[in-house]
Amino acid sequence: QLQLQESGPGLVNPSETLSLTCTVSGGSISSSSYHWVWIRQPPGKGLEWIGSIYYRGSTYYNPSLQSRVTVSVDTSRNQFSLKLSSVTAADTAVYYCARWTVATLDYWGQGTLVTVSA
Amino acid sequence: QSALTQPASVSGSPGQSITISCTGTSSDVGGYNYVSWFQQHPGKAPRVVIYDVSYRPSGVSNRFSGSKSDNTASLTISGLQAEDEADYYCTSYTSSSPVVFGGGTKLTVL
Repeated sequence: QLQLQESGPGLVNPSETLSLTCTVSGGSISSSSYHWVWIRQPPGKGLEWIGSIYYRGSTYYNPSLQSRVTVSVDTSRNQFSLKLSSVTAADTAVYYCARWTVATLDYWGQGTLVTVSA
Repeated sequence: QSALTQPASVSGSPGQSITISCTGTSSDVGGYNYVSWFQQHPGKAPRVVIYDVSYRPSGVSNRFSGSKSDNTASLTISGLQAEDEADYYCTSYTSSSPVVFGGGTKLTVL
């Protein structure tokens, strides 16, 4: 059974860089059938696609966040990562990693709350 | 890209059926059969209940069904149960970005 687990600091200072890692277990991140995705959900609000990456490194970023987002993959560790720079309180959210086929987002991590505050 | 349009809330009594709509455009919902529906309970990650417009993943109750007409997709839950109370989100593949989300619908079981 595929499992995804987010990890990283739960508190980030304003203007700094948020960094999260998603560890994939029970399957290979190098599968040609999938993309790997970061999604976030501010408290009490809906879901927002942040960015995605294919194991070979091609990426897609939400245009509204593109200038601040970097998603990378480490196939040797079966992990992919998110960096979001110059964060503000508006970036406070639960951050999820997930696996995406064209059809759907079929596996999700449990999510991790990141709070931006001094 | 603009979010897909869902009603903010719907409600129904146990045993009844409810339908949640998800309206997009010909560049997303209307153009592809890649509409999914997700159920999210408070404090939990979303889980897919419908994909490819009308397919149920293994383990999802057959009380959940999906359909699409033109630019609007629909999720129907029949025989409503208390455990169905949750937020529901639709998504669609789009011509300009991988996925667009709906704004979410809160389902209340009365």
